[in-house]
Amino acid sequence: DIQMTQSPPSLSASVGDRVTISCRASQSIGSYLNWYQQNSGNAPKLLIYAASTLESGVSSRFSGSGSGTEFTLTISSLQPEDFATYYCQESYASRAFGQGTKVEV
Amino acid sequence: QVQLVQSGTEVKKPGASVKVSCKASGYTFTNYGINWVRQATGQGPEWMGWMNPNSGDTGYVQKFQGRVTFDRDTSTATAYMELNSLTSEDTAVYFCAKGGFGSGSYFDLWGQGTLVTVSS
Repeated sequence: DIQMTQSPPSLSASVGDRVTISCRASQSIGSYLNWYQQNSGNAPKLLIYAASTLESGVSSRFSGSGSGTEFTLTISSLQPEDFATYYCQESYASRAFGQGTKVEV
Repeated sequence: QVQLVQSGTEVKKPGASVKVSCKASGYTFTNYGINWVRQATGQGPEWMGWMNPNSGDTGYVQKFQGRVTFDRDTSTATAYMELNSLTSEDTAVYFCAKGGFGSGSYFDLWGQGTLVTVSS
């Protein structure tokens, strides 16, 4: 099975900061990588699919990059509503999720 | 309104079964897959498998093979997930999620989640 590893597990940031979250796959998955945002108690929300395609309605301050085994989610200027947990998910084989990165104050 | 609405909280004893429903509206139910994902407290989401509502075809993660069943009722646009032989390890929030088929699919619409608690 493909394993997805995110780093860091958590990070502290302030409004206006540029934030970068990494996701590594245990084997090459091409560009089959999705990113989700989850606020406590709610369902995950799709942000980016196919590594870099922004889901409709999602702010352009979110961007994704990478291919193969290394991927990155970037928030260009952190807003108050962006404090949440972010998950990567591979869609190459088993739809495995990473363990998450919590963005907190 | 495009949405998935799930059934309510369940409390079950070890060894019992649970059946969670997921009612779709606002889109053509049979044109997209339904995936089931669970999430234990403090953990990342865990994909359990998928179903094609049109054909009834299913795919289960090996971990759940033989213990989980996905079904659907196309007349009411409702998907179902039944999990048997429950243990405390199955305590989690269970989500249904709309997605495409095959590699490259993503989950663009989620239900609100159903909390399943397994306790004696």
